[in-house]
Amino acid sequence: EVQLLESGGDLVQPGGSLRLSCAASGFTVSNYAMSWVRQAPGKGLEWVSTSGTNTYYTDSVKGRFTLSRDNSKNTLYLQMSGLRAEDTAVYYCARSSAMDVWGQGTTVTVSS
Amino acid sequence: DVVMTQSPLSLPVTLGQPASISCTSSQSLVYSDGNTYLHWFQQRPGQSPRRLIYKVSNRDSGVPDRFSGSGSGTDFTLKISRVEAEDVGVYYCMQGAHWPRTFGQGTRVEIK
Repeated sequence: EVQLLESGGDLVQPGGSLRLSCAASGFTVSNYAMSWVRQAPGKGLEWVSTSGTNTYYTDSVKGRFTLSRDNSKNTLYLQMSGLRAEDTAVYYCARSSAMDVWGQGTTVTVSS
Repeated sequence: DVVMTQSPLSLPVTLGQPASISCTSSQSLVYSDGNTYLHWFQQRPGQSPRRLIYKVSNRDSGVPDRFSGSGSGTDFTLKISRVEAEDVGVYYCMQGAHWPRTFGQGTRVEIK
């Protein structure tokens, strides 16, 4: 069964850092583009980043977030630094640029 | 950025009746490969998003055939032929033809 399992969400102070993980099973991450999408409390979906041949980021996270992957662990990462209150959200990883498979999400709260 | 505009934002529907959601993009979603990259997602209460339709009209595996997608260029529609209780949730369109990827605001479907 194809699955994605995110982890790493936490409460962090403004300006802090966090690394989210997305462990894949049932398929090989290196064979697909992979994406991160977030959802602020009570809000809609916001695309954050996609890594395929190239890596793309939404403007609000450029220079602060970095998407990477460890093919040996079949895992995708989102390294987040310089966190702001507006980064508070549930973060989902999704397979491919067309997002055909989603994880259950991990919650990031940025607050002092 | 490509702006995705959905209407209506709230859609009360009687069980067994049809429902229709419109999604309009500010730019054509026809990519250079000739495909049109417009996808539809469903998010049931308390759940992660799930892709229903990809590239305008292709149903994902396991999606009931009461869901259908249509449209071209900049105007797209998601139709539910007969709404069932399990269809309650928020529906999002998303464009995959341009960077950054963008979602519509979401349409909340509820039972009257």
